Amino acid sequence: GNSVTQMEGPVTLSEEAFLTINCTYTATGYPSLFWYVQYPGEGLQLLLKATKADDKGSNKGFEATYRKETTSFHLEKGSVQVSDSAVYFCAHQGGSEKLVFGKGTKLTVNP
Amino acid sequence: DTGVSQDPRHKITKRGQNVTFRCDPISEHNRLYWYRQTLGQGPEFLTYFQNEAQLEKSRLLSDRFSAERPKGSFSTLEIQRTEQGDSAMYLCASSLGQTRSYEQYFGPGTRLTVT
Repeated sequence: GNSVTQMEGPVTLSEEAFLTINCTYTATGYPSLFWYVQYPGEGLQLLLKATKADDKGSNKGFEATYRKETTSFHLEKGSVQVSDSAVYFCAHQGGSEKLVFGKGTKLTVNP
Repeated sequence: DTGVSQDPRHKITKRGQNVTFRCDPISEHNRLYWYRQTLGQGPEFLTYFQNEAQLEKSRLLSDRFSAERPKGSFSTLEIQRTEQGDSAMYLCASSLGQTRSYEQYFGPGTRLTVT
């Protein structure tokens, strides 16, 4: 069935470190792919998205590229800040309206 | 744009009681979604509406759960005869548009605790 697998957390980094959070998916067809972020005490917010193969989504210094051949959508940021501390969710939207989410990866960035 | 709002934000109830949650989507958004999120997991889809029509329901939505969107604006999610396993965060989202890739905007959620 449709699913999303994210790397296990928590992830702890120092400020200005490079971030990668891996995400792979299983789905039929050509799903749209998303990264959502949940800051402490806040609701889910869309961080970035890609709707077709080889598209790159980007926002706030974060990037992810839709890789159909490896069914992946890894999240990267070159230099994280303390304010990036949050839980990150990878999701896809396949043949129906619903979003299918991964379990989330908690990121803590220390000064 | 005041965002998606949900009420109440927290609900504590005893097992066997009925509870009802309300979601107000962003005005002019014609699609409304309900998800459930348990600790350490990502949100799981429950159901969605386009205007007042309920178009898809998950297997997670047992007979004890019912959702309505009577006038195509706000929606309610009712859980009858609550069980401890119903304890979770219930999230509402809304979106605008006719294609799947429109962003879903999430509300802050209603945290349900069943004792």
